[in-house]
Amino acid sequence: TQLLEQSPQFLSIQEGENLTVYCNSSSVFSSLQWYRQEPGEGPVLLVTVVTGGEVKKLKRLTFQFGDARKDSSLHITAAQPGDTGLYLCAESYGGATNKLIFGTGTLLAVQP
Amino acid sequence: DAGITQSPRHKVTETGTPVTLRCHQTENHRYMYWYRQDPGHGLRLIHYSYGVKDTDKGEVSDGYSVSRSKTEDFLLTLESATSSQTSVYFCAIRTGPGEKLFFGSGTQLSVL
Repeated sequence: TQLLEQSPQFLSIQEGENLTVYCNSSSVFSSLQWYRQEPGEGPVLLVTVVTGGEVKKLKRLTFQFGDARKDSSLHITAAQPGDTGLYLCAESYGGATNKLIFGTGTLLAVQP
Repeated sequence: DAGITQSPRHKVTETGTPVTLRCHQTENHRYMYWYRQDPGHGLRLIHYSYGVKDTDKGEVSDGYSVSRSKTEDFLLTLESATSSQTSVYFCAIRTGPGEKLFFGSGTQLSVL
């Protein structure tokens, strides 16, 4: 079974700081999704990366997929309190069934 | 909003009692999923469905059963609840371009 490791587990920063969280795998990803989850809610998809070396931007969030497709990172520039939440990476498996295996997440707290 | 509703949102029950959680969607999507979320484990797939009366097991299916008699409803049943099944349960549907997953708001289940 694919193992997705996320780091760090917890991150507490001040508003305006930059940060990076990581997702690593024991084997090659087919594709990778990043989700953000707020307290009391389900995860919400942020982005899907498919191609090795791919970079996607979503406002202040930059997602990178490693060249070898075994790792990915999420960089947030000038973090805001609204960025607070649990960030999860997930890999799709099972072909057409599109089942997901999730990492354990990075809990981010941005202090005003 | 993908039109997905979970009920109940919170439930407390006793060990050994049966429990049924409901996931309802309004848009006739074919694929539906049940995940549980626990600290240190992320989200793990319990069961999924790819059509009416078509279901299959996920990675943590022991102690759970599912049914899908109508496209819009996917039920998760704990036949005899145990304390290890205390968790937050999320339903998801697959929809939209790129086969995105949309998650419900979750059911917090406590088994005492």
